[in-house]
Amino acid sequence: DARVTQTPRHKVTEMGQEVTMRCQPILGHNTVFWYRQTMMQGLELLAYFRNRAPLDDSGMPKDRFSAEMPDATLATLKIQPSEPRDSAVYFCASGLGQNTGELFFGEGSRLTVL
Amino acid sequence: GDSVTQMEGPVTLSEEAFLTINCTYTATGYPSLFWYVQYPGEGLQLLLKATKADDKGSNKGFEATYRKETTSFHLEKGSVQVSDSAVYFCALCDYNAGNNRKLIWGLGTSLAVNP
Repeated sequence: DARVTQTPRHKVTEMGQEVTMRCQPILGHNTVFWYRQTMMQGLELLAYFRNRAPLDDSGMPKDRFSAEMPDATLATLKIQPSEPRDSAVYFCASGLGQNTGELFFGEGSRLTVL
Repeated sequence: GDSVTQMEGPVTLSEEAFLTINCTYTATGYPSLFWYVQYPGEGLQLLLKATKADDKGSNKGFEATYRKETTSFHLEKGSVQVSDSAVYFCALCDYNAGNNRKLIWGLGTSLAVNP
């Protein structure tokens, strides 16, 4: 049963620490999205890759966030240094390039920054 | 730019009641339209879609019709169950947007169904 895998599922850390979240997209999918979900802001697009190339990271705070795809089976989202306002659920989603409206989401990484 | 507007929640219904969640959109092109559902503690999953005007998407008893004249894509279900309690997101994607081809999301509507 193909699915998007995210790690960690839960992370509690202290302000100033580095946080790395990982995503394994569905095999064969060539688009990967990182989203952040909070009660106040809803679902926000942070970054978007197609064929491992970043296409849009305009929603990501560049001073502390970075997103990469070192290979086709791994996407990473890093926060350094983390701040309490980064507390949220971070979702990774993957899809096929021609159907970027049809996404498969992971179960999310719930981040709490104290 | 393109946008999606959903009715605000929460929506609370009794089991077997009729459900409508309103969704309207603005778009410069001819987008495809989607409904996603998020069950508690899970990621979003695609519920149904429609790719052109007058198309009807359906799945698990839910339906939505792409209405170009009213720029709407309202979600309906004739008889809801407790297991339908979730957050529902309306979204659009303009496949003619080139590299900017991505989902534009509504804010989500929370549905609670009581037994």
